Amino acid sequence: RKEVEQDPGPFNVPEGATVAFNCTYSNSASQSFFWYRQDCRKEPKLLMSVYSSGNEDGRFTAQLNRASQYISLLIRDSKLSDSATYLCVVDRAGGYNKLIFGAGTRLAVHP
Amino acid sequence: DAGVIQSPRHEVTEMGQEVTLRCKPISGHNSLFWYRQTMMRGLELLIYFNNNVPIDDSGMPEDRFSAKMPNASFSTLKIQPSEPRDSAVYFCASRPGGHGYTFGSGTRLTVV
Repeated sequence: RKEVEQDPGPFNVPEGATVAFNCTYSNSASQSFFWYRQDCRKEPKLLMSVYSSGNEDGRFTAQLNRASQYISLLIRDSKLSDSATYLCVVDRAGGYNKLIFGAGTRLAVHP
Repeated sequence: DAGVIQSPRHEVTEMGQEVTLRCKPISGHNSLFWYRQTMMRGLELLIYFNNNVPIDDSGMPEDRFSAKMPNASFSTLKIQPSEPRDSAVYFCASRPGGHGYTFGSGTRLTVV
């Protein structure tokens, strides 16, 4: 079983739609969680951290369910520019700041 | 802040040749990571350093791969000899403990 699992998609949605991505992780001792965004042929970039209480950044909302070892990302009012691959990222508990990346979920927003 | 700087951006080499990839982390970041990304396997962690010391190299595919970090501002990843299956994008990332990574732009390696 992979340490971080995501639905690869693609998710094809119209502009203005709300879309949600899910991610599960296997290490119950993990403490840090992130969503990264990666555009085609570019490096991954930090989108947002995920906190236990859930957090929001504009149109983006991240949720964490420790009991189910589940992370989600909700994007409201999708824009064409949101088209990218979204990577779920979890630290490998045990220190030294090592992060494990999911394979990513591809989002395509169309007019 | 110039970000994480990697060189070269692109590298095309013949099988059997030595390849050296370079990375300059963000000043003050105490952790440095080398990742490889392919369509089939996604982002794979190869090795990471904490305060210039290699902590975990279990992701290095085989002895042909080696990495060094002689000081806080420079790291190299070397492949010798290179093989076509090493073709991938190699990313370097640095992190100031407890926060997300910042990635470099990557080196796109093609071994023919």
